[in-house]
Amino acid sequence: DGGITQSPKYLFRKEGQNVTLSCEQNLNHDAMYWYRQDPGQGLRLIYYSQIVNDFQKGDIAEGYSVSREKKESFPLTVTSAQKNPTAFYLCASSTVPGANVLTFGAGSRLTVL
Amino acid sequence: GQQLNQSPQSMFIQEGEDVSMNCTSSSIFNTWLWYKQEPGEGPVLLIALYKAGELTSNGRLTAQFGITRKDSFLNISASIPSDVGIYFCAGQRVTGANSKLTFGKGITLSVRP
Repeated sequence: DGGITQSPKYLFRKEGQNVTLSCEQNLNHDAMYWYRQDPGQGLRLIYYSQIVNDFQKGDIAEGYSVSREKKESFPLTVTSAQKNPTAFYLCASSTVPGANVLTFGAGSRLTVL
Repeated sequence: GQQLNQSPQSMFIQEGEDVSMNCTSSSIFNTWLWYKQEPGEGPVLLIALYKAGELTSNGRLTAQFGITRKDSFLNISASIPSDVGIYFCAGQRVTGANSKLTFGKGITLSVRP
């Protein structure tokens, strides 16, 4: 079955450490996205990528970095510069850039101790 | 910035009841979508609306694209326990490769057996 796989599901990190969240899709979608979800805050866009080797900042990119070396992979690194990294992180994809129907992964919950 | 307003933040209903949610904005949107997120999972698309006045059903769910293009409604009829989750509205103002979705903060629905 096609879909988006995020790993790990749960991750704990000490302050000052970088951590990378994995996102892999086998849907052959061109565009991929990272959202952050906090209780009562909805979904906020961190970064998105329309095509391999290209990505754009979203609304809350500070303290995060991404890469898009392969079409199916869009890892997100939460750096030590992110002041409040504890959150639920969602990866999504769409068939083409700007498409309004997104397919989401199951999410990764990051907790900073 | 663009905002989609969903309220209240939480709703509690009895199994078998109907429930209505709305999503409003001060800006015009050309596409409205409704997603449902179950605990610990990513959002799943319920209904997409593409034309002002459009009324679309998906089983017990019915959604409408407001005539003013500034709002949308989701109705759930004869609720059941598995309707529990967070319901997000999302909108897209323009089409094109650089277009992004704006999400509301979501409404958490609880259904009492």
